Amino acid sequence: AQKITQTQPGMFVQEKEAVTLDCTYDTSDPSYGLFWYKQPSSGEMIFLIYQGSYDQQNATEGRYSLNFQKARKSANLVISASQLGDSAMYFCAMREGRSGNTPLVFGKGTRLSVIA
Amino acid sequence: DARVTQTPRHKVTEMGQEVTMRCQPILGHNTVFWYRQTMMQGLELLAYFRNRAPLDDSGMPKDRFSAEMPDATLATLKIQPSEPRDSAVYFCASGLSFEPGQRYNEQFFGPGTRLTVL
Repeated sequence: AQKITQTQPGMFVQEKEAVTLDCTYDTSDPSYGLFWYKQPSSGEMIFLIYQGSYDQQNATEGRYSLNFQKARKSANLVISASQLGDSAMYFCAMREGRSGNTPLVFGKGTRLSVIA
Repeated sequence: DARVTQTPRHKVTEMGQEVTMRCQPILGHNTVFWYRQTMMQGLELLAYFRNRAPLDDSGMPKDRFSAEMPDATLATLKIQPSEPRDSAVYFCASGLSFEPGQRYNEQFFGPGTRLTVL
């Protein structure tokens, strides 16, 4: 069973607009972490934001925020004021368990294109 | 500026040849991961190590792939013999398994090795 689902293969957004990238996850472990990574055309993986399963508040990092809805098992990434440099692949990932740095399970990704 | 380094960045080889990819984790990191990215499968775990000990290599084809950490500053991934279906980008990532006061354990990715097997 797929643990991370990203239903949007591709998205377009106008420059300066906000955009939401969807991510749903599946786990029975009460302790888990959710990550978003950005992969530009250069190929590197850039960490954007993290949300822990016990975090009371939604995570925010600059123009990135995570809309965490635990009961619905969703962790959508919101990018405010889109810039041309935001055009990239975006991956949602999950790590289960509380102990240690364990492997990430990735979704298939969403390709975001920002239009001038 | 600490970062994970990987060599080579690009490798083109012929089917049947041995391929060795190297990774230097961030100094002090005790956990190293190997991921593979393909168009069809996306990003998937091949193997990972903690304190140089292999913890999980269930994602690797055992007959042709091997992963090792000869020392704390070097991780290697070998494919012998290579096949066209091994063509992919191979990422190494490193992190800490525990750091007091750290809210989470981020994984820092290297730039990847793009492997093409003809």
